[in-house]
Amino acid sequence: NAGVTQTPKFQVLKTGQSMTLQCAQDMNHNSMYWYRQDPGMGLRLIYYSASEGTTDKGEVPNGYNVSRLNKREFSLRLESAAPSQTSVYFCASSERNQPQHFGDGTRLSIL
Amino acid sequence: QKEVEQDPGPLSVPEGAIVSLNCTYSNSAFQYFMWYRQYSRKGPELLMYTYSSGNKEDGRFTAQVDKSSKYISLFIRDSQPSDSATYLCAMSRGGSTLGRLYFGRGTQLTVWP
Repeated sequence: NAGVTQTPKFQVLKTGQSMTLQCAQDMNHNSMYWYRQDPGMGLRLIYYSASEGTTDKGEVPNGYNVSRLNKREFSLRLESAAPSQTSVYFCASSERNQPQHFGDGTRLSIL
Repeated sequence: QKEVEQDPGPLSVPEGAIVSLNCTYSNSAFQYFMWYRQYSRKGPELLMYTYSSGNKEDGRFTAQVDKSSKYISLFIRDSQPSDSATYLCAMSRGGSTLGRLYFGRGTQLTVWP
């Protein structure tokens, strides 16, 4: 039972490069989320998608874009990576008013 | 002021101890309360989920919510080394705001044999 799958697990980028983090869930959930986790800061919401076809900004959206490709997949794109975006990125999914289920994260370093 | 406050610890206890983890919050609209456990290099894993005030017990774990004091707790009885992890509290308003969660910063717990 895969749950929420994130790819890649690790990535190193140079400043200014772009990349897309992929997330897929097999639980038929309507809502999907992207968080970043930094030491001492906890989990902060970047973007979320309440349902297929909709996306909304969270707490820290600057420098990121998202695409809800279909009900299963929700991608996060960094157009021009900056060292401040070095973090661990988590994708999650849920049904309305139900707890979120998380993937195991993508560890991203930007030099 | 963050909406959810949680002491980051670290907390270190001997095996068999009772552990108490706590969070406070400022937004009285929160109705759904969760505790997640996060092992090193893993994603958060749901541990307990409660709606509104009261207690919920699941094996060695008990979650308490006191909405009048805006205070939630997680108790771990007979703690084991396998309980060593970071514990995150989270809460949600629910309703039209869907499933957006507000997290505490996490408390790092070590249970030593």
